[in-house]
Amino acid sequence: AQSVTQPDIHITVSEGASLELRCNYSYGATPYLFWYVQSPGQGLQLLLKYFSGDTLVQGIKGFEAEFKRSQSSFNLRKPSVHWSDAAEYFCAVGRPTGGGNKLTFGTGTQLKVEL
Amino acid sequence: GAGVSQSPSNKVTEKGKDVELRCDPISGHTALYWYRQRLGQGLEFLIYFQGNSAPDKSGLPSDRFSAERTGESVSTLTIQRTQQEDSAVYLCASSLNPPGAGLDEQYFGPGTRLTVT
Repeated sequence: AQSVTQPDIHITVSEGASLELRCNYSYGATPYLFWYVQSPGQGLQLLLKYFSGDTLVQGIKGFEAEFKRSQSSFNLRKPSVHWSDAAEYFCAVGRPTGGGNKLTFGTGTQLKVEL
Repeated sequence: GAGVSQSPSNKVTEKGKDVELRCDPISGHTALYWYRQRLGQGLEFLIYFQGNSAPDKSGLPSDRFSAERTGESVSTLTIQRTQQEDSAVYLCASSLNPPGAGLDEQYFGPGTRLTVT
């Protein structure tokens, strides 16, 4: 069965600093990978996704993520964090076929931005 | 266009009562998903609809939980005889999922916060 691990429950960074949120997955082949952001009282918004091809994926709001097959990782990065980036971030994995199209989510990383 | 909507946004109910949660997906989206998010946890998959059929119900935690979808549109998640452990945010998502396509992007609604007292 597929699984996702986000080892950092909380992260605090200063505004303007760089950010990296970790995500490791367990799956027998190359899965589809996603990062979602959830702001208080809001639904989940897709930041970026990886299906195939270039392993460095660009998303919205200046985020990017890199798929590393050898490390089973899909870490999310941003070069310079803004105060509005404070939110909860979820990594998710989906099976390309035969998985019923459901997503398996990590437990999330809560990002706090200090001004 | 309009996104995924859910109602009610908040629901407080007494233990033992039944509740119905509603999801209106994006128009034209054939796939619809229900997830549950307990406090401090990630999302747990509950059920997936393709059209009005539910090919994957594997995440429903007990027979107190059921869901239906009509007209390839609105879906209702019903929880019977609610328990305190059912307290969570219930999120609905939809995706276009054209026939023969693989996994497609899911668009989430704002969720229904259920509190069982």
